[in-house]
Amino acid sequence: GQNIDQPTEMTATEGAIVQINCTYQTSGFNGLFWYQQHAGEAPTFLSYNVLDGLEEKGRFSSFLSRSKGYSYLLLKELQMKDSASYLCAVNQAGTALIFGKGTTLSVSS
Amino acid sequence: DAGVTQSPTHLIKTRGQHVTLRCSPISGHKSVSWYQQVLGQGPQFIFQYYEKEERGRGNFPDRFSARQFPNYSSELNVNALLLGDSALYLCASSFQGSTEAFFGQGTRLTVV
Repeated sequence: GQNIDQPTEMTATEGAIVQINCTYQTSGFNGLFWYQQHAGEAPTFLSYNVLDGLEEKGRFSSFLSRSKGYSYLLLKELQMKDSASYLCAVNQAGTALIFGKGTTLSVSS
Repeated sequence: DAGVTQSPTHLIKTRGQHVTLRCSPISGHKSVSWYQQVLGQGPQFIFQYYEKEERGRGNFPDRFSARQFPNYSSELNVNALLLGDSALYLCASSFQGSTEAFFGQGTRLTVV
């Protein structure tokens, strides 16, 4: 079967660090993506991991462990504008992106 | 550079009607995928086309169909609309099917 799990909601305060976890079980694996989606808007690309390890891009980092079927997105120095839904997606065998249900992050001052 | 463009942005249809949604990929991208996103859920894969051929199909009924044209633009067709088809329909393009996908702004379909 195919399953991607991530927490439904998270809250944090401005300036803090938050880690959003994602676990996956898919029949194929060709990379894991993280997308940010503000309400009513299209998803925008944040990161892509295909090999194990940490990828850092500014305030955002993403980690992948293929053997554990696990990834996380780390957001540092949180800002109010980071309030959004964060989608974990696995590219399955070069075709479909299989998405989790998304994690709604609320950042308060 | 223009991103992925979709039309229309909003659409209201009646149950039983047919709808056609359109997508133009980023210039140079040959792969187009369609996703359905119901409120509060992640996008669900409907179709992928690469070089005008269907490369993947999600778990959607035969009422859903799509095609890709020689200029790599794409159409998604839905027949016999149901209330449950109300959703945001997203188109994503990529250079090849397995690389980073860029999403359009989506078409918000409401079936009444």
